[in-house]
Amino acid sequence: NAGVMQNPRHLVRRRGQEARLRCSPMKGHSHVYWYRQLPEEGLKFMVYLQKENIIDESGMPKERFSAEFPKEGPSILRIQQVVRGDSAAYFCASSPPNRDIQYFGAGTRLSVL
Amino acid sequence: AQKVTQAQTEISVVEKEDVTLDCVYETRDTTYYLFWYKQPPSGELVFLIRRNSFDEQNEISGRYSWNFQKSTSSFNFTITASQVVDSAVYFCALSGGGYSSASKIIFGSGTRLSIRP
Repeated sequence: NAGVMQNPRHLVRRRGQEARLRCSPMKGHSHVYWYRQLPEEGLKFMVYLQKENIIDESGMPKERFSAEFPKEGPSILRIQQVVRGDSAAYFCASSPPNRDIQYFGAGTRLSVL
Repeated sequence: AQKVTQAQTEISVVEKEDVTLDCVYETRDTTYYLFWYKQPPSGELVFLIRRNSFDEQNEISGRYSWNFQKSTSSFNFTITASQVVDSAVYFCALSGGGYSSASKIIFGSGTRLSIRP
């Protein structure tokens, strides 16, 4: 059973460009979570999604950030018009229907030049 | 509000020493879950343990052990006979037990553990 797959592992963008981060949950998992880890800090919750639904987006910045988890395909975290402060590691986690444990992917490290 | 405090920012010990990582949490939920995750230098996040608030039994897994004390709101993690491969950042974390609060995990700021040969 493959783990949570995130790609790309590393992403470099220039200020003003768009960043798209992908997350494929573990097989059988229907819940996806995104977290952001700024340098030298712990992870901060961003958003929780089920298929085609955003359940909790209380940690998402109000502008430029969006997330989706379509019926088919991976979950996407999209950052428009990136700024230097968006540079961070973005982790995706998934959990089974009973939501007991969140398993994390290896993360995508976004660098904004 | 929920909060996790890991007061030890960095710890450095010599190989084979025992080391304890402290974790103190705050929550108003009566049902909640506590976690420890390991982040090695490669950067991924590795799940170590989940404990629910009704189970105060200590747990041992090989060289790892966890001490959950509700009375002091602590969930400490001990590594016995540490090894260089234990070097990593360790995160203590908390989530609520209700449907809406179980969606997010609140992480502490992490303790960077260095094991010297």
